[in-house]
Amino acid sequence: GNSVTQMEGPVTLSEEAFLTINCTYTATGYPSLFWYVQYPGEGLQLLLKATKADDKGSNKGFEATYRKETTSFHLEKGSVQVSDSAVYFCALRGSGGSNYKLTFGKGTLLTVNP
Amino acid sequence: DAGVIQSPRHEVTEMGQEVTLRCKPISGHNSLFWYRQTMMRGLELLIYFNNNVPIDDSGMPEDRFSAKMPNASFSTLKIQPSEPRDSAVYFCASNDNRMSTEAFFGQGTRLTVV
Repeated sequence: GNSVTQMEGPVTLSEEAFLTINCTYTATGYPSLFWYVQYPGEGLQLLLKATKADDKGSNKGFEATYRKETTSFHLEKGSVQVSDSAVYFCALRGSGGSNYKLTFGKGTLLTVNP
Repeated sequence: DAGVIQSPRHEVTEMGQEVTLRCKPISGHNSLFWYRQTMMRGLELLIYFNNNVPIDDSGMPEDRFSAKMPNASFSTLKIQPSEPRDSAVYFCASNDNRMSTEAFFGQGTRLTVV
């Protein structure tokens, strides 16, 4: 079945540092890939997405590129802010018969210190 | 649109009691999901509805859990009887799978069973 593996946290950075959160996936066919963010006490919000190989999703300074050859969708940001402190989830939506189901990674807690 | 609306935001109940969680999806969306989030298991899909019909309930943990979607604008998740191990945050999400691939999440219901 489909699965998502993302780097375990927690990740602690200083403001303006470079962020990478690794995400790899296992899926048949051509899944869509997502990064969701969860701020304390809130639900998940879509951060960015990519629906086909080599697509780059971007939003709020975050980027991730859909790499089919390495089955990866790593999240990056060049300069993090304190307000980026949250839990980040990598997810995929399969193609074919199970294309309704979002499969999530376990989440990575990011803390950005001033 | 106000987004996906869940109620209550917090619920504390005694073991053995019935608990009902409610969800109003985004208007026009044709798919609805119930997820459970715990520290141990992360995000788990409990059940998926498409056009108000349950399509996949394989994630429902046991017969104590039931979900209904009587119309396109309302769904419930019921636990009867509740147990302490049901304590978690329960999220509802909706999607229009004719238009896009991402799901939109509510703010969740934090359930504590004592």
